[in-house]
Amino acid sequence: EIVLTQSPATLSLSAGERATLSCRASQSVSTYLAWYQQKPGQAPRLLIHDASDRATGIPARFSGNGSGTDFTLTISSLEPEDFAVYYCQHRSSWPLSFGGGTKVEVK
Amino acid sequence: QATLQESGPVLLKPTETLTLTCTVSGFSLSNPRMGVSWIRQPPGKALEWLAHIFSDDEKSYSTSLETRLTISKDTSKSQVVLTMTNMDPVDTATYYCALYLSDFDAFDIWGQGTMVTVSS
Repeated sequence: EIVLTQSPATLSLSAGERATLSCRASQSVSTYLAWYQQKPGQAPRLLIHDASDRATGIPARFSGNGSGTDFTLTISSLEPEDFAVYYCQHRSSWPLSFGGGTKVEVK
Repeated sequence: QATLQESGPVLLKPTETLTLTCTVSGFSLSNPRMGVSWIRQPPGKALEWLAHIFSDDEKSYSTSLETRLTISKDTSKSQVVLTMTNMDPVDTATYYCALYLSDFDAFDIWGQGTMVTVSS
């Protein structure tokens, strides 16, 4: 079973700053990686699929990169609504799994 | 527009069996490009994938929980059912069902989630 490790656990930034979140897989997942955003009391929302493709309606400030075992989600300039928890998820093989999450909080 | 809605008990006692139903609309459970998973999230903790059912009725389960889980679907009723046996307080969580799109290898649409508490 593939394990996804996200870092850092918490990222403290100000609005307008750049956020860089990491997701590392215990073995190669090719580009079968997705990113989700979750706000308190809400279900997760798909941001990125296939490592770098933005989902429908996702702003261009969100970008994904990587392949194999190392992936990055970048938010180029944080907006107030971007402070949330972010999860990665692989589908290289079944069973799939989620990472432990990165919380982006206001500094 | 696809939607998913979870339903089931709010409170269970230890050792009881949990049965959750996900009622879907806007798509068919027989669509070969789609499947449905159950995912849970204990309070303040990360998402945990539990089980998945494919359009052809194939299933996949979390390795750590597969002895306790059963997923099934009734295409005519547009429902996916998850049962989890021998519930424990550590199983207290919000349980989500989500639509998986094979074109994206990701969960595009999620239900709102249902909170299940296990307590004596």
